[in-house]
Amino acid sequence: GEDVEQSLFLSVREGDSSVINCTYTDSSSTYLYWYKQEPGAGLQLLTYIFSNMDMKQDQRLTVLLNKKDKHLSLRIADTQTGDSAIYFCAESIPYNTDKLIFGTGTRLQVFP
Amino acid sequence: NAGVMQNPRHLVRRRGQEARLRCSPMKGHSHVYWYRQLPEEGLKFMVYLQKENIIDESGMPKERFSAEFPKEGPSILRIQQVVRGDSAAYFCASSFTGGRSYNEQFFGPGTRLTVL
Repeated sequence: GEDVEQSLFLSVREGDSSVINCTYTDSSSTYLYWYKQEPGAGLQLLTYIFSNMDMKQDQRLTVLLNKKDKHLSLRIADTQTGDSAIYFCAESIPYNTDKLIFGTGTRLQVFP
Repeated sequence: NAGVMQNPRHLVRRRGQEARLRCSPMKGHSHVYWYRQLPEEGLKFMVYLQKENIIDESGMPKERFSAEFPKEGPSILRIQQVVRGDSAAYFCASSFTGGRSYNEQFFGPGTRLTVL
């Protein structure tokens, strides 16, 4: 089945690391994504990982994938107030389309 | 190269009216996806189109909703006889390719539909 779950809220202090978690159910996923949505705006792709990888690092962002447990996480180092947003994980379904299945979103609040 | 454009950004309709949402994909992109975001929820896939073809409409409600992507012009998502439950943000995304390879979808800013 297609189901992606995330915790709803995360609150961190500026300068700390944030870790946002996601679990998915479709083991045939090829790519997993992290998107950022700021208030009233569309979605911005932050990073993605191919399903045969365990980890991907891109500047302040680190993605970890545990395929056995179907668990994906996004770590943001040195979190800034500008990182406050809703973060969505998504998986793409590799049939004849690449439709994205999104999680419910995690609202990250960064306080000074 | 302009990004994905959607208009209108905000649309208010009364129950029973029709809503038409437009999406112009990025230049060179021939694949369009529509997603709906209900308040406090994630995005849900609705339909995937290529020029003049509907490829996957598994997420479209069976009645009142239709989508097209003509040879010329923007993709249109049409909602007939809107009800309050249609109030949501509707996002369009476009991509250069579809299928099984890595295929980044670029999202527009969304149309926020409010049904009174």
